[in-house]
Amino acid sequence: DAGVIQSPRHEVTEMGQEVTLRCKPISGHNSLFWYRQTMMRGLELLIYFNNNVPIDDSGMPEDRFSAKMPNASFSTLKIQPSEPRDSAVYFCASSPTVGRGSGNTIYFGEGSWLTVV
Amino acid sequence: RKEVEQDPGPFNVPEGATVAFNCTYSNSASQSFFWYRQDCRKEPKLLMSVYSSGNEDGRFTAQLNRASQYISLLIRDSKLSDSATYLCVVLLSSGSARQLTFGSGTQLTVLP
Repeated sequence: DAGVIQSPRHEVTEMGQEVTLRCKPISGHNSLFWYRQTMMRGLELLIYFNNNVPIDDSGMPEDRFSAKMPNASFSTLKIQPSEPRDSAVYFCASSPTVGRGSGNTIYFGEGSWLTVV
Repeated sequence: RKEVEQDPGPFNVPEGATVAFNCTYSNSASQSFFWYRQDCRKEPKLLMSVYSSGNEDGRFTAQLNRASQYISLLIRDSKLSDSATYLCVVLLSSGSARQLTFGSGTQLTVLP
């Protein structure tokens, strides 16, 4: 079975450019999460969706960040304009239905490694 | 105080040793607990859930103490392949809202 699929795997961009990260969750999973990981701050939840609806976006750093989930099989995280401090690994993760036993396990994609120069 | 705190590490142990990691959480209403493993430059992967009665999976034993808000992971007969960062994870759910908080991780290196 395909896991969570993210693209691009690696991106190097110049400061001020727009960056779009993409994610395809595991089929049938109702929850989708975007995390950012850096050495200094560890894993931080940016936003999560349940049934395509944003539930908690309190972790989104600022207005330069936006996330969408137009359907159950696709989500994007956009940074515009990008800054060097946005350099990090961005993980997308998904999990089955909230509240069920198996729904508490989340599965991560391989991450998008972003470098802003 | 961080919501989830782990041993700072790093732990460097010889092959075959037993090593234990600790984790504390601040929210007493937390409902589910997990240990994830993250290899260098890879994504975190579920190692095991932590049940109230404690649970074992091969060489790995996880325990939960709700009264002390404390979780532990014990690795027996450690292997070189156990070298990784171990993340303590705590879940708090309320209706459709879910708060999944990761600890900062404890790095383990098993030496030959």
